[in-house]
Amino acid sequence: QKEVEQNSGPLSVPEGAIASLNCTYSDRGSQSFFWYRQYSGKSPELIMSIYSNGDKEDGRFTAQLNKASQYVSLLIRDSQPSDSATYLCAVNYLTSGTYKYIFGTGTRLKVLA
Amino acid sequence: EPEVTQTPSHQVTQMGQEVILRCVPISNHLYFYWYRQILGQKVEFLVSFYNNEISEKSEIFDDQFSVERPDGSNFTLKIRSTKLEDSAMYFCASDRILNTEAFFGQGTRLTVV
Repeated sequence: QKEVEQNSGPLSVPEGAIASLNCTYSDRGSQSFFWYRQYSGKSPELIMSIYSNGDKEDGRFTAQLNKASQYVSLLIRDSQPSDSATYLCAVNYLTSGTYKYIFGTGTRLKVLA
Repeated sequence: EPEVTQTPSHQVTQMGQEVILRCVPISNHLYFYWYRQILGQKVEFLVSFYNNEISEKSEIFDDQFSVERPDGSNFTLKIRSTKLEDSAMYFCASDRILNTEAFFGQGTRLTVV
């Protein structure tokens, strides 16, 4: 069974701080990793994708991947109240000649004004 | 910006009735997915579809579920005889190239009464 694990939170950070969200996955062969943001009652919205070990930055967001440790993280700099949402880690698994995305349960982030 | 569109946004149906959820994926995308999210739970993979056939399906996707791409634009999920536990948000997603970012529609909230 392929698993993606996240701490459900809530993770509370003050406005302007760095929020750090973590995710581990079970399949060492996974190659593609994604962070989605989901506001309550809405659909997942893609924030970042990362495919190689190391850091990938996009604006206030930095994704970090360590395949040896089977660990992917998302840093949000200068957190804003509008960043308050559930952040979903998704891993793309190869199965039966195609891929499917497996999601973690999500980490609820609260940015306090 | 191209987006995945889903209709209806909310569907209420009586137990035992058939429902069809509709999706229009992004036009140059080739891979299509259905996911569901029961209230308060994780996003769960249902099925992936490529080249007019199912690539992969989960254990949730039993004989009461079917998918179809009836023309060049629509992608549908049919639930033949709905049960109370089918109540959930259903998300359609698509991506252009295998193993890259999937983009989600806004979802259909299905309520079975």
